[in-house]
Amino acid sequence: EAGVTQSPTHLIKTRGQQATLRCSPISGHTSVYWYQQALGLGLQFLLWYDEGEERNRGNFPPRFSGRQFPNYSSELNVNALELEDSALYLCASSLDGSGANVLTFGAGSRLTVL
Amino acid sequence: DAKTTQPNSMESNEEEPVHLPCNHSTISGTDYIHWYRQLPSQGPEYVIHGLTSNVNNRMASLAIAEDRKSSTLILHRATLRDAAVYYCILRDGSSNTGKLIFGQGTTLQVKP
Repeated sequence: EAGVTQSPTHLIKTRGQQATLRCSPISGHTSVYWYQQALGLGLQFLLWYDEGEERNRGNFPPRFSGRQFPNYSSELNVNALELEDSALYLCASSLDGSGANVLTFGAGSRLTVL
Repeated sequence: DAKTTQPNSMESNEEEPVHLPCNHSTISGTDYIHWYRQLPSQGPEYVIHGLTSNVNNRMASLAIAEDRKSSTLILHRATLRDAAVYYCILRDGSSNTGKLIFGQGTTLQVKP
């Protein structure tokens, strides 16, 4: 069974540009989560999508946005990039949002903003 | 989400058992106790989870206190590959709560 896949693996952008990151969940999983992990720091919750809808959002500005497609894949968009957006962006999926279900994480997309 | 408290770091010798503690005094009756770990330069991976009873799987065991206010992740024989940051997290199983909130976790060092 294929795991959670993320693309691209690495992305280099300059300040002010936009970045788009993509995530394909495990087959059958309807919930997709996005996390940001800046270098040396912990995982910060960004967004949760389930059944095509945004269900919850972390403490991030509106320039962080995303969507979930009918096939449950998801993309994260970061507009007006700032230097501090440089981080590892992790996507995870689960069967649904229930606390009884576990999350499976992808390997992440490393975004560097110059 | 209820809060968990873990030691910042622990050390272990290779091939010895490791007991990683987690306190969660404000746990509710429907909260599941989840453990994840993050190896260097990788995304987190699921280790084990449970509600009330002790749990075992191929990776580890989870011992849950009778009052559920604390739990212990047990690695029966630590290997160098077990060196990682271990996160103890509570998730409400009664509803679709979505997000998994990670704390600082415990950094486990395994010495050869």
